[in-house]
Amino acid sequence: NAGVTQTPKFQVLKTGQSMTLQCAQDMNHNSMYWYRQDPGMGLRLIYYSASEGTTDKGEVPNGYNVSRLNKREFSLRLESAAPSQTSVYFCASSFPIQGSSGANVLTFGAGSRLTVL
Amino acid sequence: KQEVTQIPAALSVPEGENLVLNCSFTDSAIYNLQWFRQDPGKGLTSLLLIQSSQREQTSGRLNASLDKSSGRSTLYIAASQPGDSATYLCAATSNDYKLSFGAGTTVTVRA
Repeated sequence: NAGVTQTPKFQVLKTGQSMTLQCAQDMNHNSMYWYRQDPGMGLRLIYYSASEGTTDKGEVPNGYNVSRLNKREFSLRLESAAPSQTSVYFCASSFPIQGSSGANVLTFGAGSRLTVL
Repeated sequence: KQEVTQIPAALSVPEGENLVLNCSFTDSAIYNLQWFRQDPGKGLTSLLLIQSSQREQTSGRLNASLDKSSGRSTLYIAASQPGDSATYLCAATSNDYKLSFGAGTTVTVRA
């Protein structure tokens, strides 16, 4: 069982370049998320998708776009990368806790380390 | 806006000592509180989840408590081992189901 798979694991970009981070989960989870993690800060939510066909902005969506391609896949796109987007990006998916509507247990991918020069 | 704080940022203890990790949050109207472990270069692994109606959860050597009224959660790790060395993060789920993460406490257990 692979869980949540992210690609690529590492990427170096020049300012202004574009790229897409891919995420796939094989656990049949409805909800998927993109977070970024910066030194000394907690994870911050970029975008999330509560179910296939829906996406919503999180805390720090500027400079990013997302696509929920199907139930398994949720991609994050940087259209014009900036040095401030240098970070580690985590994809996660979740399922609801039984008997507790709305509360979710998250499963994380291993992360994608992005450097923008 | 929910603010989650973890102090200290780093902790070093000798093997066998009990670990006490602190997490505080500003808005007591939370749905649950989760503790995660993160190993270097890896993603987060869920350790324990405490529902807002619960006071504590236990799993093996790990015990997490929750005091909503004071805005605090504590993770206890008994008889620490070198394999417990990692960063531990807490996250509060607000009633809109959004998670707010602390920056984490990096633990080193010395053999």
